Amino acid sequence: DQQVKQNSPSLSVQEGRISILNCDYTNSMFDYFLWYKKYPAEGPTFLISISSIKDKNEDGRFTVFLNKSAKHLSLHIVPSQPGDSAVYFCAARSGGSNYKLTFGKGTLLTVNP
Amino acid sequence: NAGVTQTPKFQVLKTGQSMTLQCAQDMNHNSMYWYRQDPGMGLRLIYYSASEGTTDKGEVPNGYNVSRLNKREFSLRLESAAPSQTSVYFCASSEGVGIQRGYTFGSGTRLTVV
Repeated sequence: DQQVKQNSPSLSVQEGRISILNCDYTNSMFDYFLWYKKYPAEGPTFLISISSIKDKNEDGRFTVFLNKSAKHLSLHIVPSQPGDSAVYFCAARSGGSNYKLTFGKGTLLTVNP
Repeated sequence: NAGVTQTPKFQVLKTGQSMTLQCAQDMNHNSMYWYRQDPGMGLRLIYYSASEGTTDKGEVPNGYNVSRLNKREFSLRLESAAPSQTSVYFCASSEGVGIQRGYTFGSGTRLTVV
């Protein structure tokens, strides 16, 4: 059973516009959520995170929103740039003594010049 | 540069052969992880080590073994490779408690089993 779901395999936006990547989860025990960006032939790189006690976290052009009641989070990129073109993974950690992250399948974002 | 180093970057094995994927980090992180990435499957946890001296199974441990050699190094061993183990393998590390800064990943090992 997939606990972290990214239902859109791909997204295409124009440079300068907003990119919105979505993620849904099913496990109520998740206490931390993270977004990673991955370029081809490279490892994923950490982008931004949010604690389950918050509903928004912002870092420059990147903002993550968390809606706990809907078990939904989203990553907003404003303005989008061609260099943002990559696969974006949503990840979540279950609270407790373990440190494991559960990842979604990823969304390929393409930002067109 | 500081980070996570994985070797080798590419490997082709025949079915039944064995090999060890090496991973080392120089950030003094406590926790280390092995993930595999397959098309349409995202990243799946194979094994992890929350701290030096401990290892635990993840989501897909069958066919693999791990060794946390010291705080820096965490290796993944395939005893008898199978075509189903064709994948890209990523090692990662984290402070453990400081999850808000996420994991640091290596650049991956692309393994093909024929």
